[in-house]
Amino acid sequence: NAGVTQTPKFQVLKTGQSMTLQCAQDMNHEYMSWYRQDPGMGLRLIHYSVGAGITDQGEVPNGYNVSRSTTEDFPLRLLSAAPSQTSVYFCASSPGTFATNEKLFFGSGTQLSVL
Amino acid sequence: GDSVTQMEGPVTLSEEAFLTINCTYTATGYPSLFWYVQYPGEGLQLLLKATKADDKGSNKGFEATYRKETTSFHLEKGSVQVSDSAVYFCALRRRDDKIIFGKGTRLHILP
Repeated sequence: NAGVTQTPKFQVLKTGQSMTLQCAQDMNHEYMSWYRQDPGMGLRLIHYSVGAGITDQGEVPNGYNVSRSTTEDFPLRLLSAAPSQTSVYFCASSPGTFATNEKLFFGSGTQLSVL
Repeated sequence: GDSVTQMEGPVTLSEEAFLTINCTYTATGYPSLFWYVQYPGEGLQLLLKATKADDKGSNKGFEATYRKETTSFHLEKGSVQVSDSAVYFCALRRRDDKIIFGKGTRLHILP
C-alpha cells in the first residue's frame, strides 16, 4: 500500500549539478504533477501530466524537465541546479482528471538544497 | 492568469473559537474548488471539495460553500480544537487539469 513514493527525501547539490527527483505511484492514477513549496509562496505547480506520453507546463516550469513514459513514474529533472531551486518538492497524483474531480494524493516530499 | 488568494496568516485562536479562513479565486470557466490541510512534516491531504455553484463541502466539522457570485470558498468551523493546528490551502482545478494553490494560511489553536 505504498501510494505516492518520492526519492530521495533529502538532497544537497552544488550549483550547476544535475539530478532527477523520482516519483512513482502504484494506484494506476492518470494524473501526476510536481509542485514546489517555498515559505510564503504556498505550492506552485511546475509540470503536470494527464496520462502516459502527455506532459504540460505549470506556473513555474523554467529549469525543470519532465517525461511520462509509464503510468507509474513521473521523474523531475534539474539540468543545471541553481540556488533559486532550493525548495521542498512534492509529487501528487489523482485517479482521474477534471471530469471526475478526484482529490490529489501527495508524496512525503523531497527537501532540496542547492549551494 | 488564474489565481487563488487566501487571508494572510498566522491565525491564532483559542480552543472552541469560531474559525473563518477566507479564500477567493480568479478563473476563467468553472473550476472545482478544494481545501487541503498540511500537518507539520507531512504532505497535503484533502479536507473538502465542491464542484459547482452553491455546493457545500464538509468534513471533520469544517465547511465551505462554492459562491460563484463572489468567487469565494471560505473555510469555516464552529469550534476549533488544538489538533486543528496546521496549514490550510485553498485550491482550484481548471478544466485543463491545471491545479493552482493559494499561499496557505497557518492556524495556531491555543489550549
